[in-house]
Amino acid sequence: ELKVEQNPLFLSMQEGKNYTIYCNYSTTSDRLYWYRQDPGKSLESLFVLLSNGAVKQEGRLMASLDTKARLSTLHITAAVHDLSATYFCAVYPLDTTSGTYKYIFGTGTRLKVLA
Amino acid sequence: GAVVSQHPSWVICKSGTSVKIECRSLDFQATTMFWYRQFPKQSLMLMATSNEGSKATYEQGVEKDKFLINHASLTLSTLTVTSAHPEDSSFYICSAGTYTWTEAFFGQGTRLTVV
Repeated sequence: ELKVEQNPLFLSMQEGKNYTIYCNYSTTSDRLYWYRQDPGKSLESLFVLLSNGAVKQEGRLMASLDTKARLSTLHITAAVHDLSATYFCAVYPLDTTSGTYKYIFGTGTRLKVLA
Repeated sequence: GAVVSQHPSWVICKSGTSVKIECRSLDFQATTMFWYRQFPKQSLMLMATSNEGSKATYEQGVEKDKFLINHASLTLSTLTVTSAHPEDSSFYICSAGTYTWTEAFFGQGTRLTVV
């Protein structure tokens, strides 16, 4: 069974602190996505990681991908309150049964940054 | 990024009635569209994948006769929830992309409440 697990599921942190969210997946996927979701809203694309060793940074967020370990990380540097949201990773494996690719989302990490 | 428009943003319907949700790609032709369902504080669950001109591929456990998906054109896919019941109340999100793109883009989501 395909699993995409995030750790931690909940994270409460002080402003100014650093932290890393982990995304482990159980199937082959040569690309990985990170999204942000605010309450009641749809998804906002943060990062698209397309190859092993890919690293991307935007502001206080940095994402990396290790396809051999089937692991991606989302690192938060000097957190601010505006980063409070739920973060999802997603993989894009080929479903050999249907012959189609599909997005499979992780369990999500609810981040709360305390002022 | 490309624009995907979902309509309506929210809908309230009576139990036993049907409701249709539209997903449109506004500035590109979407060869593939995905439909997701999200319960409060949970991850996105893929319901089905639809390719233009062909029948949708439903995920295991998703009732095809209850959740009718039509992808009649390269810019429009619809999800019809038939004979809705309160347990169908959820947040429904579509995403659209093309075979050559490295990511799909998400609609704003539709909050369905069945009373």
